[in-house]
Amino acid sequence: AQKVTQAQTEISVVEKEDVTLDCVYETRDTTYYLFWYKQPPSGELVFLIRRNSFDEQNEISGRYSWNFQKSTSSFNFTITASQVVDSAVYFCALSEARNFNKFYFGSGTKLNVKP
Amino acid sequence: DVKVTQSSRYLVKRTGEKVFLECVQDMDHENMFWYRQDPGLGLRLIYFSYDVKMKEKGDIPEGYSVSREKKERFSLILESASTNQTSMYLCASRQQGVTEAFFGQGTRLTVV
Repeated sequence: AQKVTQAQTEISVVEKEDVTLDCVYETRDTTYYLFWYKQPPSGELVFLIRRNSFDEQNEISGRYSWNFQKSTSSFNFTITASQVVDSAVYFCALSEARNFNKFYFGSGTKLNVKP
Repeated sequence: DVKVTQSSRYLVKRTGEKVFLECVQDMDHENMFWYRQDPGLGLRLIYFSYDVKMKEKGDIPEGYSVSREKKERFSLILESASTNQTSMYLCASRQQGVTEAFFGQGTRLTVV
């Protein structure tokens, strides 16, 4: 079974629209970490955020915000007022206490922001 | 800033060739990883190293081996390249413990 599911394969929006990327995870561990990465066309994955399972506080960083809800096992990512430079593939990932050395990545969501 | 450098952005190799993909990190990280990225499948872990000369198989190690003789360098080896190994290969490094991983720019390998 997939440990991290990103159901949205591809999303297209027009610049300045808000967009939410969904991430649903599955784990039996009570201690775990969740991550979001951005992969622009250049190829390198860029780290965006890390969240631990004991901290459900939502986080905002500029136009980016993250909504972590343990009740629904979701860690969604919202971009407000999207820009063309936000066009990329976004990956959600999970790391569990039983083996923190291992990351489970979702299949990624490709975001296209059109001018 | 952490820098993870992969030796090649693009490679074209012939079936049956032995292929070396090199990765170097400059932050003295203990952990290093090799992932393979394919459309619709996300990133899949090939091998992981938690220290010099130490390695652990990931989810898809078949057809691959690795070498970590120095802390900063982690090499992925395709013993006999096959067309189904055509893919994007990503190297990452991470400080021991629960931290984020830092990725290289990727190597797009084509086996013909």
